[in-house]
Amino acid sequence: KAGVTQTPRYLIKTRGQQVTLSCSPISGHRSVSWYQQTPGQGLQFLFEYFSETQRNKGNFPGRFSGRQFSNSRSEMNVSTLELGDSALYLCASKNTGARDEKLFFGSGTQLSVL
Amino acid sequence: AQSVAQPEDQVNVAEGNPLTVKCTYSVSGNPYLFWYVQYPNRGLQFLLKYITGDNLVKGSYGFEAEFNKSQTSFHLKKPSALVSDSALYFCAVRPGSQGNLIFGKGTKLSVKP
Repeated sequence: KAGVTQTPRYLIKTRGQQVTLSCSPISGHRSVSWYQQTPGQGLQFLFEYFSETQRNKGNFPGRFSGRQFSNSRSEMNVSTLELGDSALYLCASKNTGARDEKLFFGSGTQLSVL
Repeated sequence: AQSVAQPEDQVNVAEGNPLTVKCTYSVSGNPYLFWYVQYPNRGLQFLLKYITGDNLVKGSYGFEAEFNKSQTSFHLKKPSALVSDSALYFCAVRPGSQGNLIFGKGTKLSVKP
């Protein structure tokens, strides 16, 4: 099986722009979560989608949004980019909504905001 | 507030020596505990998890972790470190109630030959 695929791998934007990141989970996985990773804050949870419904949301402003399609692929959008949004954005998938199930992570999208 | 702490930003170990990466948590209910590893320019990879049962959990690549309920700790251990173990290690906790996975800030492990 192919792993979790995130595109693009690298992205450079300027302040005020918006960006859309894409995540294709492992085939058959219905849950997709998004995390922001920065050196100072570690991994911060953004949101989780399961069968096209948002199940959990972290403490991020409304500029951060996401969605999941019927094929379980997910997109994350950030509007009105700020310098502090520069980070590695990681997507993770798992098969079910079970709490003890491990996550499979993609390699991430490195976003730089200038 | 629910949280996970990894008190050491970096751990340095000589190859062949035992290693310990520390993790403590503060969450409600009976937590599910995980360790993940991140190699440079890669996503995180699952190492092991504790759900219930035996307090010593064995995982991938010879790693194990010890759950201590009274000390609310879940330290990662390996009897003999390899240079290839050098990476960033994350402890994560899912609270007993519904909720997302909470990660520690990570510990950089450096194993020298």
